[in-house]
Amino acid sequence: SAVISQKPSRDICQRGTSLTIQCQVDSQVTMMFWYRQQPGQSLTLIATANQGSEATYESGFVIDKFPISRPNLTFSTLTVSNMSPEDSSIYLCSVVIRGHTGELFFGEGSRLTVL
Amino acid sequence: GQNIDQPTEMTATEGAIVQINCTYQTSGFNGLFWYQQHAGEAPTFLSYNVLDGLEEKGRFSSFLSRSKGYSYLLLKELQMKDSASYLCAVRPTGTASKLTFGTGTRLQVTL
Repeated sequence: SAVISQKPSRDICQRGTSLTIQCQVDSQVTMMFWYRQQPGQSLTLIATANQGSEATYESGFVIDKFPISRPNLTFSTLTVSNMSPEDSSIYLCSVVIRGHTGELFFGEGSRLTVL
Repeated sequence: GQNIDQPTEMTATEGAIVQINCTYQTSGFNGLFWYQQHAGEAPTFLSYNVLDGLEEKGRFSSFLSRSKGYSYLLLKELQMKDSASYLCAVRPTGTASKLTFGTGTRLQVTL
């Protein structure tokens, strides 16, 4: 498996502000993704984080709202911009580790509450 | 698009066997995954099926029928610690490991 460190683990944010979440992995990573899990819901894919280039966003998610960086293979950031209460959610970094069958490994998640 | 259905909640008794079903419709298929998620924690990988049949891993087994778009997760000798949500996820073809998750089944194990 892998150690996937996310920070912050939780935060309380004011409406209109932005917050950046960091994800650091200690293993050889082939793919990196950002998911959102709203209260009581399952996981929804926000985007694929591409090393050294713009992320690939899923339908309903845009770069202006969720800018993503991935400067190297094992590190990525997700910013939640101009937050509203609807952005209150758990944001999860997930990776595919080289040598595995393509299953996703997840970070512990960042629980954001927007007031 | 993809559609994945699971029961919302299930209850079972400690020591018993429980089967959690998952049906899916996807544009192409390249594997089905089961994850366990305890409240407040990240999902953890349980099993992977890409061919028809049963995969066994200790107390947990997972079955796949591609022609029926159907899978189940079988948990034997249930323990209280098995109380969690169980997520079915499908990897469509050509999606480079992107998984689409079902809504999850919340399992409550009782004495």
